[in-house]
Amino acid sequence: DIQMTQTPSSMPASLGERVTISCRASQGISNYLNWYQQKPDGTIKPLIYYTSNLQSGVPSRFSGSGSGTDYSLTISSLEPEDFAMYYCQQYDSSPTWTFGGGTKLELK
Amino acid sequence: QVTLKESGPGMLQPSKTLSLTCSFSGFSLSTSGMVVSWIRQPSGKSLEWLAAIDWDGDKYYNPSLKSRLTVSKDTSNTQVFLKITSVDIADTATYYCARSWELWYFDFWGPGTMVTVSS
Repeated sequence: DIQMTQTPSSMPASLGERVTISCRASQGISNYLNWYQQKPDGTIKPLIYYTSNLQSGVPSRFSGSGSGTDYSLTISSLEPEDFAMYYCQQYDSSPTWTFGGGTKLELK
Repeated sequence: QVTLKESGPGMLQPSKTLSLTCSFSGFSLSTSGMVVSWIRQPSGKSLEWLAAIDWDGDKYYNPSLKSRLTVSKDTSNTQVFLKITSVDIADTATYYCARSWELWYFDFWGPGTMVTVSS
């Protein structure tokens, strides 16, 4: 199975700050990498697919990049609604689609 | 408007079979490339993909749980089901269903249903 390691596991940050969350795969995943946001009530929202494609309706302050084994999600200027959990997910390895351990973005 | 909603027993005893239903609207599972997956999340932990069924009736399972999982859909293509046999405490989690279309990218999720396994 492909293991996905997210860093950091938690990140204190301030409003307006630029933050980057990293996701590393245990082997190359050919850009088959998605990002999701989860709010405290459990609601899960898709953000980015295939490394860098923004889901319709997601603000442009979110962006994704990466290749090979290393990927990242960047939020250019934090808004209050961005404080949540973030998960990466690979879909290179059929049929086991695995998620990262999550990053909790907290208000500093 | 695409919506999905999970339903389940809430609580069940160890060794029983867990039956979950995903009811959805706003899309047709008979559309080429459409897939509905089951994903779970124990409290405080990450997400684990469990199983999926696609528009053509093909089924996909997490190899680590395959022997205990059965995914199916109804003939009207408006519900997807998941059965997990021989549950134990480790199966306590919130269970989500999610849609994907032509990519293994979950673009719509249900709110989740919490399942507790306890004697």
